[in-house]
Parts: sequence; C-alpha cells; structure tokens
Amino acid sequence: DAGVIQSPRHEVTEMGQEVTLRCKPISGHNSLFWYRQTMMRGLELLIYFNNNVPIDDSGMPEDRFSAKMPNASFSTLKIQPSEPRDSAVYFCASSLVAAGIGQPQHFGDGTRLSIL
Amino acid sequence: KNQVEQSPQSLIILEGKNCTLQCNYTVSPFSNLRWYKQDTGRGPVSLTIMTFSENTKSNGRYTATLDADTKQSSLHITASQLSDSASYICVVSAQNGANNLFFGTGTRLTVIP
Repeated sequence: DAGVIQSPRHEVTEMGQEVTLRCKPISGHNSLFWYRQTMMRGLELLIYFNNNVPIDDSGMPEDRFSAKMPNASFSTLKIQPSEPRDSAVYFCASSLVAAGIGQPQHFGDGTRLSIL
Repeated sequence: KNQVEQSPQSLIILEGKNCTLQCNYTVSPFSNLRWYKQDTGRGPVSLTIMTFSENTKSNGRYTATLDADTKQSSLHITASQLSDSASYICVVSAQNGANNLFFGTGTRLTVIP
C-alpha cells in the first residue's frame, strides 16, 4: 500500500519566493496534518484537517502560511513570501479518525525546504 | 503547561548493547503516549502506544513502560542493531481535544559496530 506521498522532497529557493508543498494522504484516512521539524524545536503541528475541513490552524506561524485541502486525496501548504527562518523539514501525516484517540499518524518522508 | 521532555538528547552505544530512553510529561488529562522511530531522511513511524492502564508493552526488541503516577515512560532497546540508529520521539495525547498532541524533541541514538 502506498503511504503518505509528499512532493517535492527537496526545495531550495530565494527569500521572497512563493513555496508550495504537496501531500497525498493514505486512501481512506480522514485526518491530515502538516508539521514543521527543526533541530531546535522538534516537530511542531501547524494545522490539521478532518474530512477536508481545517480544524485547528493555531500552529501556523504567520499569515504568510496557508493550507488547503480541496479533496480527500490532496493538500497543499503554501508559504508566501518565504523567509530564511522558514527553512525546515515539513511533514504531512494522515490518520484514521482523530489521532488523539489512539490511531497512529502515518507520516510522509517530508520536504526539506531551504530558503536562501 | 503541557510539556514532554526526553532524555538523553543523544546517545551512542555499541552494537549488541541495551539502552533505555526516557520521556517525562506534564500533559493532563492524559490519554495515551506513543513512541515513534524516525530514521534519517524519513518520517516518524509508530513503534508502540501506551494507554493509562498499561504498564509495559513490547514490540520485538523494543519494550515501552509507563508510570502514569510519576508521568514517566521509557523505551528499552535490547540487543541493539545498527538499524536502530535513529531518533526516537515521545508523543503524548491529551483527552481534551481530539488532536491535542504534545511532542518531545527526541533522542538521537547512534549504534556503532
């Protein structure tokens, strides 16, 4: 079975440019999560969706970040304009129902983002 | 404040040796605790989940323990292998909210031959 698929795996761009990260969750999963991981802060939840609806975006650092889930099989995380401090690994994860009640989250392999 | 702290931050052991990783949390009300393994360049993968009533759970050479009274968990790795080299992340879930998850910053384990 295909796992969570993220693209691109690596992205290098100059500050000020728009960055779009993509995620395809596991078929049948109805919760989707976007995380950012850095050495200093570890994994941080940015936003999550249940049944394509954003539930909690309190982790989104600024208005420069936005996320959409137009259908059950696709989500995007956009940064516009990008800044060097946005450099990190961004993970997408999906799960059956709500992860807090015992269902594991299945993570993609991440997008390593470098903003120059 | 809900927090998850892991120790040590990093650890180097010889192949074949055992090791124990620690996770202390202040998350309340507690729902469950999960250990993830994250290989370099990959996403985290769930190893085991501990609920309030469970004290010990094994998954092959990995054994997790939970003391809900002291709010501590440990992950014990027996007869370590080179493939155990990874980061191990402790994630605690709170009951107040379907997706109220708190992440530790992980322990970086390196197994050397």
